[in-house]
Amino acid sequence: DTAVSQTPKYLVTQMGNDKSIKCEQNLGHDTMYWYKQDSKKFLKIMFSYNNKELIINETVPNRFSPKSPDKAHLNLHINSLELGDSAVYFCASSPGTGQAGELFFGEGSRLTVL
Amino acid sequence: AQSVTQLDSQVPVFEEAPVELRCNYSSSVSVYLFWYVQYPNQGLQLLLKYLSGSTLVKSINGFEAEFNKSQTSFHLRKPSVHISDTAEYFCAVSEGRTGANNLFFGTGTRLTVIP
Repeated sequence: DTAVSQTPKYLVTQMGNDKSIKCEQNLGHDTMYWYKQDSKKFLKIMFSYNNKELIINETVPNRFSPKSPDKAHLNLHINSLELGDSAVYFCASSPGTGQAGELFFGEGSRLTVL
Repeated sequence: AQSVTQLDSQVPVFEEAPVELRCNYSSSVSVYLFWYVQYPNQGLQLLLKYLSGSTLVKSINGFEAEFNKSQTSFHLRKPSVHISDTAEYFCAVSEGRTGANNLFFGTGTRLTVIP
């Protein structure tokens, strides 16, 4: 049973296309996140949702739009893909915003923009 | 503002030798500190964390890290490494309770254990 699952694992697409990455967690956590890991392995938070409400929205292009239909799902939609969007995108979840603790990460979705 | 520095991008070490992966942070408030490990083609997993109390924290697989407030460091150590420890290690920090789940990561250290 995968705790945090992301689909697809690999995504290769052309510049200008629109694509989505889906994330689901079965841990009963209230908070979910999207992180971007670039080619140098640097990890940066993009968004965080708590119980379907956006709580962290770092400076990312507005071509990136997260959507949380319920607290177990957080999807990432990217419009007009650019070469610089190539990266590994990690979804994560945690029990809540007021608790310092562990983030549970998915296995990542490797996006390659040609 | 917070930042995390992992000075060593790559650390090769022979099997059964000791290893130290360095992490320094900067923050103007109290922090929570974490080490995460990423095995090839996998997501990150928490290795150990410092929230409060004893400054020496340990993982179940023999790693330990010590929070040193005066030196703003949280170095990771293991007295004897195994081949299976080969992975990317990330130090992370969050500022106190309100920012507890906004983790700032270092750039990672690739540990390669040589047989």
